[in-house]
Amino acid sequence: GAVVSQHPSRVICKSGTSVKIECRSLDFQATTMFWYRQFPKQSLMLMATSNEGSKATYEQGVEKDKFLINHASLTLSTLTVTSAHPEDSSFYICSARDLAGDTYEQYFGPGTRLTVT
Amino acid sequence: ILNVEQSPQSLHVQEGDSTNFTCSFPSSNFYALHWYRWETAKSPEALFVMTLNGDEKKKGRISATLNTKEGYSYLYIKGSQPEDSATYLCAFPGGQAGTALIFGKGTTLSVSS
Repeated sequence: GAVVSQHPSRVICKSGTSVKIECRSLDFQATTMFWYRQFPKQSLMLMATSNEGSKATYEQGVEKDKFLINHASLTLSTLTVTSAHPEDSSFYICSARDLAGDTYEQYFGPGTRLTVT
Repeated sequence: ILNVEQSPQSLHVQEGDSTNFTCSFPSSNFYALHWYRWETAKSPEALFVMTLNGDEKKKGRISATLNTKEGYSYLYIKGSQPEDSATYLCAFPGGQAGTALIFGKGTTLSVSS
């Protein structure tokens, strides 16, 4: 149980285009999902908290107009990197918190490697 | 700003060796500490959630202890195996919304056979 999928696993796009990444909880409901970004040799950096049916909460320094988050259902959150540039190339990973959980435990997707050329 | 420190950054051991890593955190306002294992090309996997001072949890050859008063947690691996090779992350609840996990940089373990 507690499986989170992420799609695509790898994407290459041209500078100036937008890319959408999907995060799905497959066997549980998640009112809250999280988006992280990892730079080489760095930790997972929290970008935003995505709440079903409401606006996402972004961390300091994360541009909300650049990284659009939509959490339209209890099993799906999407991250759209708008007008992508080479500096947006990174590893993006989502996680979901089980609606029934009370220990902040999160279940992670496998991540998306974004390369902007 | 929540400061989660992990040491060492990386570690290389031989099969059969026992090893341990450290996660240090501010001891004030403690709620919970999480340990995750992240193998290459896989999703991070939850190992333990620790909430009480003096907690000790075990899963197979892996165990963890917690000292909230002095602000550290140890993760132990007994008789390391090549399949234990992974990055081990500790994390705390935090973030602007207060419901996310804030991660340390991790300890990368490599076990040679």
